[in-house]
Amino acid sequence: DVKVTQSSRYLVKRTGEKVFLECVQDMDHENMFWYRQDPGLGLRLIYFSYDVKMKEKGDIPEGYSVSREKKERFSLILESASTNQTSMYLCAGGTGIDNEQFFGPGTRLTVL
Amino acid sequence: AQSVTQLDSQVPVFEEAPVELRCNYSSSVSVYLFWYVQYPNQGLQLLLKYLSGSTLVESINGFEAEFNKSQTSFHLRKPSVHISDTAEYFCAVRGYNQGGKLIFGQGTELSVKP
Repeated sequence: DVKVTQSSRYLVKRTGEKVFLECVQDMDHENMFWYRQDPGLGLRLIYFSYDVKMKEKGDIPEGYSVSREKKERFSLILESASTNQTSMYLCAGGTGIDNEQFFGPGTRLTVL
Repeated sequence: AQSVTQLDSQVPVFEEAPVELRCNYSSSVSVYLFWYVQYPNQGLQLLLKYLSGSTLVESINGFEAEFNKSQTSFHLRKPSVHISDTAEYFCAVRGYNQGGKLIFGQGTELSVKP
């Protein structure tokens, strides 16, 4: 069974803190993605990566950065957390061949 | 660029009733189409996908969707729903030669009542 794991299910941080969200996949997939999910807005792509040390901006990259030092790990970084970054964050892995993305369980981040 | 519109944010139905969740997309290139399901407190799971070939695709739990190119739609249907189908459903599109990037709709909450 393919698996995407995220480091925390729930996280509470304070405004201005630096926040790291970790994602690990065991599928040897080239592609990895970070989304945020908000009610009524669906999933919006923050950043994605097609290879190690490679990253591309998605639709809403402002306030976020990413790191991919190893193929299986893709980290999302909030340099200075703000209350409008309170959301559910979903990580996914996939290939370009079968088009399917496999999602982690999500991290619900609350910024106070 | 692509966009996806799910026309209903919430769909309440009674158990064993039929259901249709609507999805329309826009794209300047040919597309692949997907439906994902998210059960409460879980991540998304792929329900079904259209890549090519037959325009009618089916899932293992009785859902089906039909790709209609002329109407740019990919509606999801089930003839008889169960309580366990209660979840949020997301339609997604990916353009040819667009890498692995998916564009998601806003989601439809399906609530099945006894």
